[in-house]
Amino acid sequence: ETGVTQSPTHLIKTRGQQVTLRCSSQSGHNTVSWYQQALGQGPQFIFQYYREEENGRGNFPPRFSGLQFPNYSSELNVNALELDDSALYLCASSLAGMADTQYFGPGTRLTVL
Amino acid sequence: AQSVTQLDSQVPVFEEAPVELRCNYSSSVSVYLFWYVQYPNQGLQLLLKYLSGSTLVKGINGFEAEFNKSQTSFHLRKPSVHISDTAEYFCAVSDRGGADGLTFGKGTHLIIQP
Repeated sequence: ETGVTQSPTHLIKTRGQQVTLRCSSQSGHNTVSWYQQALGQGPQFIFQYYREEENGRGNFPPRFSGLQFPNYSSELNVNALELDDSALYLCASSLAGMADTQYFGPGTRLTVL
Repeated sequence: AQSVTQLDSQVPVFEEAPVELRCNYSSSVSVYLFWYVQYPNQGLQLLLKYLSGSTLVKGINGFEAEFNKSQTSFHLRKPSVHISDTAEYFCAVSDRGGADGLTFGKGTHLIIQP
C-alpha cells in the first residue's frame, strides 16, 4: 500500500507567475484535501475534492484552484503568485464519509520571490 | 465556525519527565478531535483521534489525550518523554461531515532537554 506522495518537493517562483502542485492519494482513498502551512503556523484548509468535484473550500481566493482526476490524484493551481503564497503545501487523502482519518503527504515547499 | 487554541507555543521538558500539551476548541456542532505530530521538513502524522465513546484516547508512541466536553479541551499527555519526541504538535478539529477540512491550532513546539 503506497502512501500519499507529492511533487515537486521544492519549487521557486517569482511574483505573478503560476504554479501547479501534484498529489497522488493513498491507495483506495477517493477524497483529497489541500492545506497551506505558512512558516511557524498550523495548516490552513484550502479545499477538498471528491469524485472530481470541489465539495468544500476554506477562506482562499479564486486564484487557488484544483482538479481531481479519475484515479483520485489531484492538482493544486495557484495563479498570479504573491509573496505571501510562500508556504508548505500539504495534500491529504481520505475516504469519503470518513472525516475521521486524513493521511498527509510530505508537502511541497513553495518559495515566491 | 470552529477554532482551536494551543495555549503554549513552546514547551521545554527534561528527558524522561512527563509532559502535557494543552488544546482548547470552540465549535457550534459536534466534532472530531485530533493530535498530529510534524517532524522537521516532514508532513503530518496522526498521533490519536477522538470520535466518540471513551473520553481517554490512546495513540502511538505512548501518547494519550483526554476529551473534556464541559471545558472544551483535548489535552495531550505522555508520562515519560524521549529525545525523539522533539517535534511540532498540532491539535485539530473537524465537524463530522468533513467537507470543511481540518481546523488546526498554531502548534506547540516540544523541546526535550537531556
